[in-house]
Amino acid sequence: AQKVTQAQTEISVVEKEDVTLDCVYETRDTTYYLFWYKQPPSGELVFLIRRNSFDEQNEISGRYSWNFQKSTSSFNFTITASQVVDSAVYFCALSEGVGGTSYGKLTFGQGTILTVHP
Amino acid sequence: EPEVTQTPSHQVTQMGQEVILRCVPISNHLYFYWYRQILGQKVEFLVSFYNNEISEKSEIFDDQFSVERPDGSNFTLKIRSTKLEDSAMYFCASSESGGYTDTQYFGPGTRLTVL
Repeated sequence: AQKVTQAQTEISVVEKEDVTLDCVYETRDTTYYLFWYKQPPSGELVFLIRRNSFDEQNEISGRYSWNFQKSTSSFNFTITASQVVDSAVYFCALSEGVGGTSYGKLTFGQGTILTVHP
Repeated sequence: EPEVTQTPSHQVTQMGQEVILRCVPISNHLYFYWYRQILGQKVEFLVSFYNNEISEKSEIFDDQFSVERPDGSNFTLKIRSTKLEDSAMYFCASSESGGYTDTQYFGPGTRLTVL
């Protein structure tokens, strides 16, 4: 079963537009963490944010904001006033507690390719 | 800022050959991971390693794969007899305290091409 689903394969926006990347996850665990990673054209994976299953408080950090809703099993990511440098593949990932026995295995979504045009 | 490093950045090998991919995790981290990403696909977990032992592995991580921490700084992934389908980007990651709560920091990856 797909545990992390990023339904948007590709998104294309023009610079300064806001863009939201969707992530829906599936788990039977009550304790888990969710992550967003960015993969720029150079290929590395860059950590952006993590959120635990008990903290539904949404957060804003500069141009980035995150919306976590347990009721819909969603962890969406918004970039405000997008810039060309935001062009990358964005991955949502899930780390399940497995009753406290997990060593941190990350399950990634398929990724969303974001292209920001000047 | 401390970072995970990986060598080589690109490895080309013939099918059936052995390859060793090398990683230097962040120095105070205790948990180490390998993931792979076949071109255009999602990142997949291979194995986690702690205290000189494999703590978890995926079904991808079969007998052709092995990991080792040969000294205090390096962490290696060996593929004994490479297959065409092993062509992928291999990422090493490390985390400070392990477990599902901790953030994993990734290296830049090694692109493995099997001919």
